[in-house]
Amino acid sequence: QTVVTQEPSFSVSPGGTVTLTCGLSSGSVSTSYYPSWYQQTPGQAPRTLIYSTNTRSSGVPDRFSGSILGNKAALTITGAQADDESDYYCVLYMGSGTLWVFGGGTKLTVL
Amino acid sequence: EVQLVQSGAEVKKPGESLKISCKGSGYSFTSYWIGWVRQMPGKGLEWMGIIYPGDSDTRYSPSFQGQVTISADKSISTAYLQWSSLKASDTAMYYCVMIPSPTTHYFDYWGQGTLVTVSS
Repeated sequence: QTVVTQEPSFSVSPGGTVTLTCGLSSGSVSTSYYPSWYQQTPGQAPRTLIYSTNTRSSGVPDRFSGSILGNKAALTITGAQADDESDYYCVLYMGSGTLWVFGGGTKLTVL
Repeated sequence: EVQLVQSGAEVKKPGESLKISCKGSGYSFTSYWIGWVRQMPGKGLEWMGIIYPGDSDTRYSPSFQGQVTISADKSISTAYLQWSSLKASDTAMYYCVMIPSPTTHYFDYWGQGTLVTVSS
């Protein structure tokens, strides 16, 4: 069974830059997996940040960016702000059968 | 404006049945896949399944196949997620979400969520 891996937690200082990653238990993530990223603050529905590896969803500030770094998908937040403190989930598209698999999420702390 | 509005919170007993809903507006409901995502208390997100309201083509995550039924009524632009016999482990927040493009494979336009609590 495919497992999508994310760092359980990460911290960043206000104004700093952080890169969260999204990998596979077996194999490398490529653009063919159409990685997408979602932000969720407590008590709220998720919000779509990035799709197709590096396309920002409507209204998402450009300090959020997506890429492939090595064998993983990555979400980089530049100039972190206090309200970026959230859970971040990546999703990979697997194609037929399973279709999508969510990563376990990364809890980002800004302090 | 695209909106997905879900039905309200439910409290049920184990063994009972339940059907929750997700009404779409602001777009052509029959032209886009709608999905359901589960979030158990304190846990991450899990994709459950999707439906294409235009022809009711439905796909399930292997983890949820046989556990739930996804349906849609295109006459009222509403998708449904139903259980025939709830278990305590079905306690979770459930989100509906639209798949805006069949070629970029991502979720967008999330419903507000429906909290389902199953307890004796």
